[in-house]
Amino acid sequence: QVQLQESGPGLVKPSETLSLTCTVSGGSISTYYWSWIRQSPGKGLEWIGYIYYTGNTNYSPSLESRVTISLDKSKNQSSLKLFSVTAADTAVYYCARARFGVPSLRTSVYFDYWGQGTLVTVSS
Amino acid sequence: QSVLTQPPSASGTPGQRVTIPCSGGDSNIGSNTVNWYQHLPGTATKLLIYTNNQRPSGVPDRFSGSKSGTSASLAISGLQSEDEAAYYCAAWDSSLNVVVFGGGTKLTVL
Repeated sequence: QVQLQESGPGLVKPSETLSLTCTVSGGSISTYYWSWIRQSPGKGLEWIGYIYYTGNTNYSPSLESRVTISLDKSKNQSSLKLFSVTAADTAVYYCARARFGVPSLRTSVYFDYWGQGTLVTVSS
Repeated sequence: QSVLTQPPSASGTPGQRVTIPCSGGDSNIGSNTVNWYQHLPGTATKLLIYTNNQRPSGVPDRFSGSKSGTSASLAISGLQSEDEAAYYCAAWDSSLNVVVFGGGTKLTVL
């Protein structure tokens, strides 16, 4: 059974960089896409982006200038970095494995395994 | 406010059939596939339905999905107490170039 676990600081100061790691167990990080999603308090779910094991990425246009998703295949981990954070970036951050209903057709993307999420608060 | 529209709450009694609607537009549900997720606090979100009406292995056939035009719905038959959770619809939006989600529907089993 594939399991995902997010980890990282729960508190980040404004203007600094939010860094989270997603550790994948029960399966290899290779040959799949890996995504990050967040949910701000009282707001809906927001897709951040995904990365393929080859390193190809696809980011939400609203966050693209501030986000980097990467993989460490040796550790079976995905990482998220969000730069220059503000209070609006306070959210529960989830990692998830992405699949496609039609192979490689990004418009058919869905998420078949999720982590439990980790709360990150941006505050001084 | 979410791009896809869901009612904030729904309820039913054990054994009943409940339907949760999800409304979108031409650029998301109208032209792309819909997926449904179940979230219970403190647990990992679970994929219930993908590609409009496909159930992953392990999801009971009490759960079914459908899509028509710019709307989709999740039906749960034979409602059970463990179905009490939040349910989210999602789809790719070809105008925004992102995955968009519904605001979620909190299902209460009375």
